Amino acid sequence: AQKITQTQPGMFVQEKEAVTLDCTYDTSDPSYGLFWYKQPSSGEMIFLIYQGSYDQQNATEGRYSLNFQKARKSANLVISASQLGDSAMYFCAMREAPSGNTPLVFGKGTRLSVIA
Amino acid sequence: KAGVTQTPRYLIKTRGQQVTLSCSPISGHRSVSWYQQTPGQGLQFLFEYFSETQRNKGNFPGRFSGRQFSNSRSEMNVSTLELGDSALYLCASSTPQGAQETQYFGPGTRLLVL
Repeated sequence: AQKITQTQPGMFVQEKEAVTLDCTYDTSDPSYGLFWYKQPSSGEMIFLIYQGSYDQQNATEGRYSLNFQKARKSANLVISASQLGDSAMYFCAMREAPSGNTPLVFGKGTRLSVIA
Repeated sequence: KAGVTQTPRYLIKTRGQQVTLSCSPISGHRSVSWYQQTPGQGLQFLFEYFSETQRNKGNFPGRFSGRQFSNSRSEMNVSTLELGDSALYLCASSTPQGAQETQYFGPGTRLLVL
């Protein structure tokens, strides 16, 4: 079963507008971490934001915020005031931690295009 | 702090050859993970090394192997290359922190197998 689902293969947003990228996840483990990464055309994966399953508040990092709805198992990324440089692939990922370390599992990604 | 570095950045090989990719983690990071990224399969986990020991392994054939040195630098090797091995190979380093362990990625090595 797919653990991370990103249902939007591609999205367009006008410059300076906000955009929400969807991510749903599947786990029965009470302890897990959710991550968002940005991958520009150069290929490097850039860490954006982290949300822990026990965190009471939604994570924020500058223009990035994570809309964490635990009961719905969703962890949507919100980018405010989009910039042309935000055009990239965005990946949602999850790590479960029942004991020790488990690998990050990535979704298929969403390609965001910011239009001037 | 310097980021994760990967060498080489680009490689062209022919079927049947072998290849070795190198990854230098962020200073102080002792965990190194490798991923393969292709348009069809997306990002797939290859393996993870911590303190020179393989801690996790993905579902890849034995042609894919890796190792980690005492300075935490890591190499991965692919023997008997196949056309389907053409991909972007990403290395990531981290410090173990359970579920909140954040991985930081290098720029990747683009491998083309002809």
